Amino acid sequence: DTAVSQTPKYLVTQMGNDKSIKCEQNLGHDTMYWYKQDSKKFLKIMFSYNNKELIINETVPNRFSPKSPDKAHLNLHINSLELGDSAVYFCASSQGPNSYEQYFGPGTRLTVT
Amino acid sequence: KNQVEQSPQSLIILEGKNCTLQCNYTVSPFSNLRWYKQDTGRGPVSLTIMTFSENTKSNGRYTATLDADTKQSSLHITASQLSDSASYICVVRQYGQNFVFGPGTRLSVLP
Repeated sequence: DTAVSQTPKYLVTQMGNDKSIKCEQNLGHDTMYWYKQDSKKFLKIMFSYNNKELIINETVPNRFSPKSPDKAHLNLHINSLELGDSAVYFCASSQGPNSYEQYFGPGTRLTVT
Repeated sequence: KNQVEQSPQSLIILEGKNCTLQCNYTVSPFSNLRWYKQDTGRGPVSLTIMTFSENTKSNGRYTATLDADTKQSSLHITASQLSDSASYICVVRQYGQNFVFGPGTRLSVLP
């Protein structure tokens, strides 16, 4: 019973392609997040949605577009992939935007060639 | 500028030994501070979460301290086990929304 799941786990694609990463949580949480972890293992928040509404949007290129069809899902679509997009992307969820606890998914390793 | 620094960058200890990881932050206004453990190839898992009024919090062999005046936190691991080998990430939440992540400390526990 995975709490926060992501698909795919690995994604290898060429520059210029468009790809999506899906995230689902079965915890009944209202808030979901996308993080990027670069090669130096630094985690940075990208987006946060609360009840399907965007509440955090860090400085992220417009090529990245999150979509939340419902509270349990937050997908990340990336257009015109660049080499610098190669990283591990983590989805996370919390009960609310001010909740202390966050639960992370297993990550999606994106490699752009 | 809101920043979180961690030291050491990496640490190697023998199984059974204790160790302490450090976290210094300049995030303001402060909401809470978290320590996460991240095993290789997996997502972070929360170890402790501390608010302004909490000085110490324990979770099994993990004990976190917080000094809000000096803006420092430490994570002490007692009687280390091989499974403690991981990256330990300090995260400070700014009052409101933002999370500021530290670069992590890579701990290796050797038999």
